[in-house]
Parts: sequence; structure tokens; C-alpha cells
Amino acid sequence: RKEVEQDPGPFNVPEGATVAFNCTYSNSASQSFFWYRQDCRKEPKLLMSVYSSGNEDGRFTAQLNRASQYISLLIRDSKLSDSATYLCAVTGGADGLTFGKGTHLIIQP
Amino acid sequence: SAVISQKPSRDICQRGTSLTIQCQVDSQVTMMFWYRQQPGQSLTLIATANQGSEATYESGFVIDKFPISRPNLTFSTLTVSNMSPEDSSIYLCSVRTSGTYTQYFGPGTRLTVL
Repeated sequence: RKEVEQDPGPFNVPEGATVAFNCTYSNSASQSFFWYRQDCRKEPKLLMSVYSSGNEDGRFTAQLNRASQYISLLIRDSKLSDSATYLCAVTGGADGLTFGKGTHLIIQP
Repeated sequence: SAVISQKPSRDICQRGTSLTIQCQVDSQVTMMFWYRQQPGQSLTLIATANQGSEATYESGFVIDKFPISRPNLTFSTLTVSNMSPEDSSIYLCSVRTSGTYTQYFGPGTRLTVL
């Protein structure tokens, strides 16, 4: 089983719609969780950390379900500029992060 | 967040040669890491660059192939040795400051090996 799994998509979503991604992880000892955004040929940029109680940042909401070992990202009122690859990342046994392969999102006008 | 720069931004190299990638941060950071992102793939951790001691390598990566230096708290290098076309990838450094697990990434070095 892969350590961090994501649906690669692509998700084709009309502008203004709400879209949600899930990411599952296998390491139950993981303590910290993140969503990164990666644009084509660019480095990943931190979108938000994911806290146990769930957290919201503008149109973005992240949630953690430790029992089922998944994290989710919800994007409301999607914009054309939201088109990107969304990577989830979790801490593992080492100090580094383990990344999923990413979910490709395309917002269509 | 810290400002991170990498040099070179890209390079095209011949097989059998080596390339050293530099990562510079504008402030002292607790930890520095090196990742690889192969075409169409996600990021894979190569190693943790430890200041003043040998790097800690992940499974599948060895010091002879990817020697790493970290002489101080703001600078690190990764060398890709005896390159083959399979080493063609984007190499990214990342940093983490104390008190958090959040990592920030440099712009990456795009390496093509012919």
C-alpha cells in the first residue's frame, strides 16, 4: 500500500463550483498534515496546514480524520486561478514529508 | 517564510559527470532537506542535510551518489554524482524552522542528463 494516496484526476470543474479532494495516509504515527499547491514547472507552495479540529482559510477548508486516516481539502467558489496540482503531505518516521502524487484540478470558465 | 534560492536553476549534463546544486536561505533555519521530483511524479525525500554532520539518507539513496554538505545554518549543497539519464529530474531543497513541521521549498533545479 502506498504511504500517501490521492486521486490524480484531473478534476474538471466549472468556475464558481465547489470541489473537494481526499488524501489517505498509511502511517498512523503521522502527526502533521499539509496541503501544497504546485503550478506547472514551479515548486510546491504551502496552501495550508491541516489541524485536528479542521481549519478554514478564505475559500479553502481542510479537515483531518485520524480514525480513517485521511485529510480533505474543500475549495468553494472556485476561480480560474485555482487550476493547479494539489499535493497532500504528511510527516512520517523521518523529519521530512511524504507526499502524495497530487490531484490535478482544472477550473473551466 | 524564509526566502530560498537555488543555483543553478537548470542544467543539461552529460552522463558520467557530476553536478553540484546550491541552496541558500536568507535566515537561519533548523532543518534543510533535499527532494527529487521525477517527471510526472510527486516529491521524494532524498535526505536531511544536517549541519556539521553527515546527512541522513532515505531508503534508496546513498551518500556516494548524492553527497550533501551543510556547513552552516543557511546553506547546503547536493551533488548528483556519475549521472545517468535516470537522474533527470527536478531537485528541490526545503527548509523548516524551529517549532513547526511546515516546510518551504526553493524554486528547484531542473536537471537533464543526456
